[in-house]
Amino acid sequence: AQSVAQPEDQVNVAEGNPLTVKCTYSVSGNPYLFWYVQYPNRGLQFLLKYITGDNLVKGSYGFEAEFNKSQTSFHLKKPSALVSDSALYFCAVRDGMGRRALTFGSGTRLQVQP
Amino acid sequence: AAGVIQSPRHLIKEKRETATLKCYPIPRHDTVYWYQQGPGQDPQFLISFYEKMQSDKGSIPDRFSAQQFSDYHSELNMSSLELGDSALYFCASSPMDGGGMAYEQYFGPGTRLTVT
Repeated sequence: AQSVAQPEDQVNVAEGNPLTVKCTYSVSGNPYLFWYVQYPNRGLQFLLKYITGDNLVKGSYGFEAEFNKSQTSFHLKKPSALVSDSALYFCAVRDGMGRRALTFGSGTRLQVQP
Repeated sequence: AAGVIQSPRHLIKEKRETATLKCYPIPRHDTVYWYQQGPGQDPQFLISFYEKMQSDKGSIPDRFSAQQFSDYHSELNMSSLELGDSALYFCASSPMDGGGMAYEQYFGPGTRLTVT
């Protein structure tokens, strides 16, 4: 069975500082990894994905994520946080074959202080 | 750009009633997924359809059923509602993987179901 762990319930960062939201995963075979963001009372918005290739993936709104196979991690990063980045962030995984449903982590609330 | 449409956005039902949630995928997306997100929880996969056939099944209760129609829209039917069914129900759509591509799922705004 596949699983995702987001070890931090909340991450606090000052505006303009770099941010990291952590994610580790467990899956059979090659992983397909995703990050989604959820604003209050809204659906999940796709940020970026890793399927294959370059370990550093760039996505929407200046976010990027680094795939590390040996550490089974896929941390979300942004060089300079904005107050408007404050939201709930979900990491998700599916295996590379067969089932296409996403398994989500528990979510990390990002709070960016002005 | 067109997005996933869900209706209704809010629904209040009493215990033991039935509810039907509708989902209209992004045009040319042939796969639909349903997820349930309880308060303070991560989304949990319920069921998916590809080309009108059930393609995968997750933690969907036997009281729930779903189908995908010829126009690719999908409906989630929920019967004998329980208080614990109160949640945000998301529909997502994507194209089928192919040609070396694995596609992300695009989520609708959700239907908030409250069972009293």
